[in-house]
Amino acid sequence: GQQVMQIPQYQHVQEGEDFTTYCNSSTTLSNIQWYKQRPGGHPVFLIQLVKSGEVKKQKRLTFQFGEAKKNSSLHITATQTTDVGTYFCAGISGNTPLVFGKGTRLSVIA
Amino acid sequence: DTEVTQTPKHLVMGMTNKKSLKCEQHMGHRAMYWYKQKAKKPPELMFVYSYEKLSINESVPSRFSPECPNSSLLNLHLHALQPEDSALYLCASSRYGATNEKLFFGSGTQLSVL
Repeated sequence: GQQVMQIPQYQHVQEGEDFTTYCNSSTTLSNIQWYKQRPGGHPVFLIQLVKSGEVKKQKRLTFQFGEAKKNSSLHITATQTTDVGTYFCAGISGNTPLVFGKGTRLSVIA
Repeated sequence: DTEVTQTPKHLVMGMTNKKSLKCEQHMGHRAMYWYKQKAKKPPELMFVYSYEKLSINESVPSRFSPECPNSSLLNLHLHALQPEDSALYLCASSRYGATNEKLFFGSGTQLSVL
């Protein structure tokens, strides 16, 4: 079945440093979604990427979808303490339900 | 109203108890989901209801029994659970249930089975 691998598992950064998490699928995806879950909270939808090579920005967050639609990344510029949480990618392939990656837990040291 | 409301927020139950988790949304969404999330793990899909009909059951043990009384409500009935069933149970909804729709999650029920 479809698998979505996400790395790194954990990332500790100093406030102001950049952060990137990577997502790789064993199969070609039709779309990919990104969610953020704050500690003690629930997943919140951030964005969906659909097109090959797509790049979308939300303030300090940049999302990319690979040309082959098998990988994606989320980059945060100049992290802030409000960025703390776990970032999940979720791959969509055909009519199968979302498959979540294992997530990257981000800690930001002030 | 863009919220998915789940009750209770916390639940402690014994292995012989029967309890129910409740979920409600008033966004007019026609698809509702139950996910299970263990600590430091991603959410795992359990059930999907689309237009009030069960469309996906991810091989969930029968001690978990979902119910969708109407398009706004989703219940999860629990009976004879095991300690390993302790987890955060998340409800989610989406507009029509297509796989490319974003999910709106509730804040979850933290379940402890003793």
